[in-house]
Amino acid sequence: SYVLTQPPSVSVAPGQTARITCGGNNIGSKSVNWFQQKPGQAPVLVVYDDSDRPSGIPERFSGSNSGSTATLTINRVEAGDEADYYCQVWDSSSDHVVFGGGTKLTVL
Amino acid sequence: QVQLVESGGGVVQPGRSLRLSCTASGFTFSPYGMHWVRQAPGKGLEWVAVIWYDGSDKYYADSVKGRFTISRENSKNMLYLQMNSLRAEDTAVYYCARGIYSNGWYPDFWGQGTLVTVSS
Repeated sequence: SYVLTQPPSVSVAPGQTARITCGGNNIGSKSVNWFQQKPGQAPVLVVYDDSDRPSGIPERFSGSNSGSTATLTINRVEAGDEADYYCQVWDSSSDHVVFGGGTKLTVL
Repeated sequence: QVQLVESGGGVVQPGRSLRLSCTASGFTFSPYGMHWVRQAPGKGLEWVAVIWYDGSDKYYADSVKGRFTISRENSKNMLYLQMNSLRAEDTAVYYCARGIYSNGWYPDFWGQGTLVTVSS
């Protein structure tokens, strides 16, 4: 089955740039989606189809995907961005939705 | 506004059954696929199942295949998850989520979840 690998944690100071990676075999050939989950809340879609943003998501959130790594970039990080972030793809070979293990973003 | 409200969670003994429901409102339910996704306490997200907009196709995670059944009633804007032969490892918050198909499925809007605890 397809596996997505994320770092368990990323730390960044306010105002700086956070980059959260998601590794997978030839992930560049897949469409990657990213979710933000704050404690006690449901996940929220922040990036879809590698780099598109749903309405209401700040432009500070962006995504890229190439080769074996997809990346969620958060510019000018704010305290309110502190959350768990999950990448996700559809694995067409197994007809399964696959999530990465999640990355905890800490704003220092 | 889009709303998904899950219900039916609770404490259940191992080996027993439980049915979760998800009530959709604020959007036209019938054209959308729907997912169930769960999250064990302190753990990450685990996809459970997806159902096509008309119920014609369904896919399941290996961990629940043969025990769980996803279904829907478009006339009532309802999504269901029938869970049989429950195990301790099925303990989780269960989310229903609206599904979009674009180069593959992804859940674009989630309910707040319902907690299922499997314990004797």
